[in-house]
Amino acid sequence: QQQVKQSPQSLIVQKGGISIINCAYENTAFDYFPWYQQFPGKGPALLIAIRPDVSEKKEGRFTISFNKSAKQFSLHIMDSQPGDSATYFCAARNQGGKLIFGQGTELSVKP
Amino acid sequence: DTEVTQTPKHLVMGMTNKKSLKCEQHMGHRAMYWYKQKAKKPPELMFVYSYEKLSINESVPSRFSPECPNSSLLNLHLHALQPEDSALYLCASSRDIAGNSYEQYFGPGTRLTVT
Repeated sequence: QQQVKQSPQSLIVQKGGISIINCAYENTAFDYFPWYQQFPGKGPALLIAIRPDVSEKKEGRFTISFNKSAKQFSLHIMDSQPGDSATYFCAARNQGGKLIFGQGTELSVKP
Repeated sequence: DTEVTQTPKHLVMGMTNKKSLKCEQHMGHRAMYWYKQKAKKPPELMFVYSYEKLSINESVPSRFSPECPNSSLLNLHLHALQPEDSALYLCASSRDIAGNSYEQYFGPGTRLTVT
């Protein structure tokens, strides 16, 4: 119930393409869903986040789509660039304030 | 500014050593966190401090000892570590752990190697 399942584990996209990463959860009490981007040797950086009363949020090339009834949310990266190559983690916040992370997706954008 | 700083960047220590990791934020956040991250894995929560009081301890072994001297500083004291404790140690902060102040901001981490 406390798990967040993330897919795919790795993703290769051509420059200019759309990268899509999916996450699913079971706990309907989760109340906040952030995405983090992490480059090798660096800490995770908060990329974009959404609350369950919103179905979509867009910031620049990054969009979160949220489907409350399906208990799924996804990250779309439009016009993907080689600089976007990183590991992406979805997460969900439980009632105790703890972030439950997905297992991560290693994105590689080929020039 | 959403900066969380951590020192040192790298640390190598023997199993009998005592060392400390430091974390600092000047965003006025009242919640601070320690995470441990192994290669190709997500961060694992270790401790949470809220208003300088220990709020969550995720059953972390006593060889890790957290300390929050004030609202801007967070330390992690290390003693008698094992090689399997080698990892990236991340500090994070958020405005609060309750209400609508959820956003957690991470520092760059300390890469710890236990020999």
